[in-house]
Amino acid sequence: NAGVTQTPKFQVLKTGQSMTLQCAQDMNHNSMYWYRQDPGMGLRLIYYSASEGTTDKGEVPNGYNVSRLNKREFSLRLESAAPSQTSVYFCASRWTGSETQYFGPGTRLLVL
Amino acid sequence: GESVGLHLPTLSVQEGDNSIINCAYSNSASDYFIWYKQESGKGPQFIIDIRSNMDKRQGQRVTVLLNKTVKHLSLQIAATQPGDSAVYFCAESYNQGGKLIFGQGTELSVKP
Repeated sequence: NAGVTQTPKFQVLKTGQSMTLQCAQDMNHNSMYWYRQDPGMGLRLIYYSASEGTTDKGEVPNGYNVSRLNKREFSLRLESAAPSQTSVYFCASRWTGSETQYFGPGTRLLVL
Repeated sequence: GESVGLHLPTLSVQEGDNSIINCAYSNSASDYFIWYKQESGKGPQFIIDIRSNMDKRQGQRVTVLLNKTVKHLSLQIAATQPGDSAVYFCAESYNQGGKLIFGQGTELSVKP
């Protein structure tokens, strides 16, 4: 099993450009999450999907949209990137019967 | 002024010594706690978890202690090795909603 995979690994954008971060898991987990991590800080929840077909806002949703494409895939979209969105983005997934979340390797995003 | 959270607390230990990493959590209603290890350039990796009906849980070379009276969590690593060098995060969850609230993190540096 690959676990949680994320693409791309690294991306540079100009202010105002858009992009979609991809996440997939092969563990048959129901719930999926998107976090951002800024230097010297813990992870902050952007959006999550408790199950296929549902999405909800987390702590810092402004400037982002998400799509739960199917049970395996959960994407994060930046419609108009801003320098404040420079961060490392992590996707995670969880089986409903456990509270442990498993994380992907991250996408490093630089917005100029 | 300097923003809160830009500088991680750091713990430096000698190889072979025991390490204790502390965490204060915020919500007295939290019923699940988890420790993650994050190596440079990687996603957080699950180490050990504990529920609020327990005070102590042991894993391989790691022990988590929970003191609900003072809302304090600690991670003890026995015989610390250079491979233990990483940032360690605690996280809490309540209402079994699956959402984790992460602490700031502590950087552990192991000197050979």
